[in-house]
Amino acid sequence: AQTVTQSQPEMSVQEAETVTLSCTYDTSESDYYLFWYKQPPSRQMILVIRQEAYKQQNATENRFSVNFQKAAKSFSLKISDSQLGDAAMYFCAYRSAGIWDNNDMRFGAGTRLTVKP
Amino acid sequence: NAGVTQTPKFRVLKTGQSMTLLCAQDMNHEYMYWYRQDPGMGLRLIHYSVGEGTTAKGEVPDGYNVSRLKKQNFLLGLESAAPSQTSVYFCASRHNAGRETQYFGPGTRLLVL
Repeated sequence: AQTVTQSQPEMSVQEAETVTLSCTYDTSESDYYLFWYKQPPSRQMILVIRQEAYKQQNATENRFSVNFQKAAKSFSLKISDSQLGDAAMYFCAYRSAGIWDNNDMRFGAGTRLTVKP
Repeated sequence: NAGVTQTPKFRVLKTGQSMTLLCAQDMNHEYMYWYRQDPGMGLRLIHYSVGEGTTAKGEVPDGYNVSRLKKQNFLLGLESAAPSQTSVYFCASRHNAGRETQYFGPGTRLLVL
C-alpha cells in the first residue's frame, strides 16, 4: 500500500519569507497524482497545488510551487512571500491514477505552519 | 452551487447510541468518500462509493456502515457509537475521470462520551 510521510510536524516562517515543507511517499506505481492541501482552523480542506507524475515540469500556483523528484519519491512544497493567511495545517496526499483502483487518496500526517508577523 | 455539504456540523453521542451523517454534493460526481481525521494521523478512508447503489470498504471501515441510494447523497452510519469513534469526519467527491480533483465538505466533529 502507498504511504505518505511528512517528517516535519511543525514549521514556522517569518512573514514575507520563504518556507519549504517536505513530503516523501512510497509506491510501486508509475502513474499517480500528488497534492498539497491546506487546512486552516475552519477545518475546510483546500487544494493548494497538484502534480501529475508523468509531467516532469514542477507545478506552480502563484506563490506556491513544488519540487517533484520522482526517482527520489519526494514532493516538497515551497511557499514564497509567506503571508499571515498561509498559517494552517498542510497535508501532502497521493492518489493512484490506475483505473483498477478506487483512486482514494493517501494522506500524510500533516505539517502545522506558523507565520510570524 | 453549494459543492459538498455535511450535516450535522457537530454532534455529541453517548456510547452505544446510533447516528447517521449525511453528505450531499450538487456537482453530479460519481465518486464519493468518507474519511476520518484524528490528531497526528492525517485523513484515513472509511468507506467509498463509485456510483449510485455501490459502496466499498476503505482503510478503517469497522464500526461504520454506508449507503448511496441517490447519486448526490452518501450516508455514514454508526450503529453503536464508541469513544474510539470520536473524530472529525470528512466527506469528499469527484468525477470518475482520473485527473479530476477531489472536493471536500466542511467536516463533522463527533464526540462520543
